[in-house]
Amino acid sequence: DGGITQSPKYLFRKEGQNVTLSCEQNLNHDAMYWYRQDPGQGLRLIYYSQIVNDFQKGDIAEGYSVSREKKESFPLTVTSAQKNPTAFYLCASSTQGPDTQYFGPGTRLTVL
Amino acid sequence: GQNIDQPTEMTATEGAIVQINCTYQTSGFNGLFWYQQHAGEAPTFLSYNVLDGLEEKGRFSSFLSRSKGYSYLLLKELQMKDSASYLCAVRRVAAGNKLTFGGGTRVLVKP
Repeated sequence: DGGITQSPKYLFRKEGQNVTLSCEQNLNHDAMYWYRQDPGQGLRLIYYSQIVNDFQKGDIAEGYSVSREKKESFPLTVTSAQKNPTAFYLCASSTQGPDTQYFGPGTRLTVL
Repeated sequence: GQNIDQPTEMTATEGAIVQINCTYQTSGFNGLFWYQQHAGEAPTFLSYNVLDGLEEKGRFSSFLSRSKGYSYLLLKELQMKDSASYLCAVRRVAAGNKLTFGGGTRVLVKP
């Protein structure tokens, strides 16, 4: 089955700890994206990558970091510098051209 | 910058029609997407418009007017399972394939 997977679905962390959210896709898509969604809000772009070993900041990159060492994987680290990390995090992927983005199931992060 | 506006919430009756409007202000427009998102789940792709006019897909249709910076999503023969949030997203030429999303419209379908 082709698709995008994110794990875990729910994640709890203590304040001050870094946490890494995984995103894997087997759609052979070049581009991958990370979004954050707060209750009742739309999606905001954190980071995106159009090709392996390259990524760019989105609109709200502060307090986050990413890597893109493999085409299939685009992990997101939420660092202790992120002031309000509790949110629903969504990963998406698309072909490199102007194509539809498809989303993974999301990870709900709660920082206690 | 970009402004994308949609109503926050709408209520409709099962079997009826609902129209969700989206207005945007952006330079270098390169397409508008509609996604459906059930609570706690990922958005799923519904439709894409890049040229003016109406795109129809079964019970769902989407319309675009580039000169007016306006789109709507039309849901016909509403079913209870259509209760969800509907997200409007705009893509710009200069921004690669990045999307900017509106705040979403929560639609509640009542029996």
